[in-house]
Amino acid sequence: EPEVTQTPSHQVTQMGQEVILRCVPISNHLYFYWYRQILGQKVEFLVSFYNNEISEKSEIFDDQFSVERPDGSNFTLKIRSTKLEDSAMYFCASSEDRQWRTGGTEAFFGQGTRLTVV
Amino acid sequence: SQKIEQNSEALNIQEGKTATLTCNYTNYSPAYLQWYRQDPGRGPVFLLLIRENEKEKRKERLKVTFDTTLKQSLFHITASQPADSATYLCALDVNNDMRFGAGTRLTVKP
Repeated sequence: EPEVTQTPSHQVTQMGQEVILRCVPISNHLYFYWYRQILGQKVEFLVSFYNNEISEKSEIFDDQFSVERPDGSNFTLKIRSTKLEDSAMYFCASSEDRQWRTGGTEAFFGQGTRLTVV
Repeated sequence: SQKIEQNSEALNIQEGKTATLTCNYTNYSPAYLQWYRQDPGRGPVFLLLIRENEKEKRKERLKVTFDTTLKQSLFHITASQPADSATYLCALDVNNDMRFGAGTRLTVKP
């Protein structure tokens, strides 16, 4: 069964350092998402991406964050200068089509990258 | 302000009983609503989607209802099993992307 893969599974970084979280979405999917989940809290939307550009972003997704699809398979989230409060599980997701166009479609999530900022 | 509320942080039931989880929302008009399951340390897994023009959807032991007047969805697991123990998340489309509620942690005791 196709799946979304994320690497690394766990990353520890020092405050102020840049990190890049990597995702390989399902191959025929067109829409990509990043979510984060701070320990014990809800899954929060960060950004959606389609056709090599950001479709939507939340208020969390400030100038410290950026996303990129550097090639035909990878989808990355970069945090430029990490803060302690960036410590969370980061989930990548992909879907075949945009949620609204088909009246809703399921998103497939990766297993997450646990980011710890020290 | 817009809110998605799952009104039980935790729900404990006995094996074999029906679990009913609630998702309420305010200041949204979603075209559809989804339910996901999340196990500790794992990503959410899609379970069911229900559209605004559908009252009810079923899949095996799962049933979802969607009442756009009450702004509420109910998620039922019948004949619950210990393996159903997990956190269940509802998600709404907001500006064409999914937003999640905080989840309800279900524990099914043998």
